[in-house]
Amino acid sequence: GENVEQHPSTLSVQEGDSAVIKCTYSDSASNYFPWYKQELGKGPQLIIDIRSNVGEKKDQRIAVTLNKTAKHFSLHITETQPEDSAVYFCAARGDSNYQLIWGAGTKLIIKP
Amino acid sequence: DSGVTQTPKHLITATGQRVTLRCSPRSGDLSVYWYQQSLDQGLQFLIQYYNGEERAKGNILERFSAQQFPDLHSELNLSSLELGDSALYFCASSASPLSGNTIYFGEGSWLTVV
Repeated sequence: GENVEQHPSTLSVQEGDSAVIKCTYSDSASNYFPWYKQELGKGPQLIIDIRSNVGEKKDQRIAVTLNKTAKHFSLHITETQPEDSAVYFCAARGDSNYQLIWGAGTKLIIKP
Repeated sequence: DSGVTQTPKHLITATGQRVTLRCSPRSGDLSVYWYQQSLDQGLQFLIQYYNGEERAKGNILERFSAQQFPDLHSELNLSSLELGDSALYFCASSASPLSGNTIYFGEGSWLTVV
């Protein structure tokens, strides 16, 4: 079945620098890739998603890139701010079983 | 606010007891998901319902059960509770199970078993 690997498990960056989180997936039929942000004590919230017919998508300081050939996708956060500190989850889903398969999460720490 | 409502927010109970967690999906959403998140762990998918019917099952223990009612709200029943069941339980909803449908999470129910 589908497997999603997420790296790194913890990422510490200086405020103002960029952060990149990477995920790889195993099922080439996967066609939907969302990213969720989970702040302490709260539920995960969708921050950006990408579908397999698109290579890149941007929303202000956040961007996601998808490489279908290599079966990996990445989250890029530029000009990081303290409020970006959270756990970020990637996920992948195909049409075969409609289930989101989740990465293990990345704890992003923004150092002042 | 995602529009997904979960109650109770916090619950403390003793081992061996049974609890029920309740979830109201976003208005119009037909699909409901339940997830378990232990301390500093990832999201473990438990079960999914679509329009009242069980759609998919994940790593849900036999001591746990769920259902989705005609008004689309859902309940997760946890019985014979053990210390290891202490976790944050999330409900999520989406319009349908189809790929590309955004899943919205509630704020979770914190369960502590003592």
